[in-house]
Amino acid sequence: GAVVSQHPSWVICKSGTSVKIECRSLDFQATTMFWYRQFPKQSLMLMATSNEGSKATYEQGVEKDKFLINHASLTLSTLTVTSAHPEDSSFYICSARTGTGIFSLHFGNGTRLTVT
Amino acid sequence: DQQVKQNSPSLSVQEGRISILNCDYTNSMFDYFLWYKKYPAEGPTFLISISSIKDKNEDGRFTVFLNKSAKHLSLHIVPSQPGDSAVYFCAATIFQTGANNLFFGTGTRLTVIP
Repeated sequence: GAVVSQHPSWVICKSGTSVKIECRSLDFQATTMFWYRQFPKQSLMLMATSNEGSKATYEQGVEKDKFLINHASLTLSTLTVTSAHPEDSSFYICSARTGTGIFSLHFGNGTRLTVT
Repeated sequence: DQQVKQNSPSLSVQEGRISILNCDYTNSMFDYFLWYKKYPAEGPTFLISISSIKDKNEDGRFTVFLNKSAKHLSLHIVPSQPGDSAVYFCAATIFQTGANNLFFGTGTRLTVIP
């Protein structure tokens, strides 16, 4: 079946540094990928929609200069958290569609980011 | 603004009994609802869904009920099995607009006791 691979699964970084998270579709091409964030005891919140070959669409309240998204190929989208701060510590998860239907959405395993 | 709510963070059920997970929503525009199951260190996987034109959808041991007037849905698992122990997320979307944005609840951790 379709697999979405996310790397790294966890990362610890110092405040002020940047962290890149990769989301790959392993056996299908994904023109659209989605990035979510989950704070402890809160729900998954959509951050942005990543479109291959074009700019990402960010949800209201998400800083596009802080959370840089690049979707340079049909199988890879990256999320870079720039100048990370402790409040950016969260669980980041990506998803991708294998088709147009709502059931075609597949999630990666997520990345636990801790900023010290 | 939490548009989808799961008010029970955890639920423990004896093996063989029924598990009932509840979900409430506030946006009357939502027309499609989904349940996802999540194991530790894995991403959510789709479990079952229901369209707003229905009030029940059944798939094996899993049944989802939708009460539109109450803006409430529930997931029934019967009989519950230890392998069902996981976090269950309720999600809602507006299918008519492309369903790109899924609004998730905070999840309910189900523990099925052998």
